[in-house]
Amino acid sequence: AQSVAQPEDQVNVAEGNPLTVKCTYSVSGNPYLFWYVQYPNRGLQFLLKYITGDNLVKGSYGFEAEFNKSQTSFHLKKPSALVSDSALYFCAVRDKPSSNTGKLIFGQGTTLQVKP
Amino acid sequence: NAGVTQTPKFQVLKTGQSMTLQCAQDMNHNSMYWYRQDPGMGLRLIYYSASEGTTDKGEVPNGYNVSRLNKREFSLRLESAAPSQTSVYFCASSAGGNYNEQFFGPGTRLTVL
Repeated sequence: AQSVAQPEDQVNVAEGNPLTVKCTYSVSGNPYLFWYVQYPNRGLQFLLKYITGDNLVKGSYGFEAEFNKSQTSFHLKKPSALVSDSALYFCAVRDKPSSNTGKLIFGQGTTLQVKP
Repeated sequence: NAGVTQTPKFQVLKTGQSMTLQCAQDMNHNSMYWYRQDPGMGLRLIYYSASEGTTDKGEVPNGYNVSRLNKREFSLRLESAAPSQTSVYFCASSAGGNYNEQFFGPGTRLTVL
């Protein structure tokens, strides 16, 4: 079965420093991976996705993610964190691509706290 | 272009009451989904509709029913609410298939007393 894990409940980083939010996955077949962000009392917003091709994927708000097949990871990164990046981040994997339903399996989420 | 809209934003029910959560999208998407979000549990899929006219159970369907009214609208019904259904409910839509991201509504915060 497809699954994702976000090993850190919370990540703390100082403003201006690089940030990494970790995600590992387990899939049968090709992985289709997604990152979403949720600000307080809001719905989830799509940040970026990996389908195929270049292992470094660029997304919204200056975020990028690195796909690593050998380590089965898809970590979210940003070179310089902003206080406004503080939010809840979710990694997700497409469920059973062969079914073509578009279903996603979400990780439990990681809270990012950026301090001034 | 409103994206995905949900009504109501907040609701308080007593145990045993029923209600319907409404969801609509204006992006001409084929697929629609209902999730619940609970602290420490991530998002869990309740039901989904891969295309107009079809609905299927997700991970946690017990106590819920859905209706894909047309391509735009996908409603979630609680027939007899229980305190365990206290949660934040999100509707999402996508063009479907493997490559397309989902777009989420703002959520409905439901409390069952």
